[in-house]
Amino acid sequence: GAGVSQSPSNKVTEKGKDVELRCDPISGHTALYWYRQRLGQGLEFLIYFQGNSAPDKSGLPSDRFSAERTGESVSTLTIQRTQQEDSAVYLCASSFGTSGGRRGNEQFFGPGTRLTVL
Amino acid sequence: AQSVTQLDSHVSVSEGTPVLLRCNYSSSYSPSLFWYVQHPNKGLQLLLKYTSAATLVKGINGFEAEFKKSETSFHLTKPSAHMSDAAEYFCVVSNPYNFNKFYFGSGTKLNVKP
Repeated sequence: GAGVSQSPSNKVTEKGKDVELRCDPISGHTALYWYRQRLGQGLEFLIYFQGNSAPDKSGLPSDRFSAERTGESVSTLTIQRTQQEDSAVYLCASSFGTSGGRRGNEQFFGPGTRLTVL
Repeated sequence: AQSVTQLDSHVSVSEGTPVLLRCNYSSSYSPSLFWYVQHPNKGLQLLLKYTSAATLVKGINGFEAEFKKSETSFHLTKPSAHMSDAAEYFCVVSNPYNFNKFYFGSGTKLNVKP
């Protein structure tokens, strides 16, 4: 079946502009995650959605960053007034995000959106 | 709390020699542990995972990892490196009581010399 898809694959923008990144998770996955990966660095957690629960926004670096998810489907990550330090690859992942001690639900990652802020 | 430490940021081996990528974890609960691989300009791919069954886990491409609770380690090994193994490897611990939220290590870049 189809994996996690993200669009656009590449985005070049000017400093100060707003950008919107899209993620389509695997159908049936209740959990959706956004990560940021700067050049040569590891993954930085941004935000996490699980079903109808309030999202975990603890990783968002500033109030310029926000994300929404419609039900258990598409999510958009919005960065307002972009800065050069926002340049990175933004990765989305989805999983069967269960709790209560059930373990081993791997995350499936999309190919990422490479954002370049000039 | 959960966290992961990957002890080496870079590892270099010769083709045909063994690979060892080290990972130590900290978890308040009995953890699930994963290794992911990221090839240049490619997405993250799951190599293997530990979920409390057998402590020696076999993954794709000849990789395996052993869960050692007493050492809080989950090191990744491969008997014989191949040029195509050159990539970045991430160790991950998840919290089963918080919707399996992932905590990533900082990554280890594996270089394979001919």
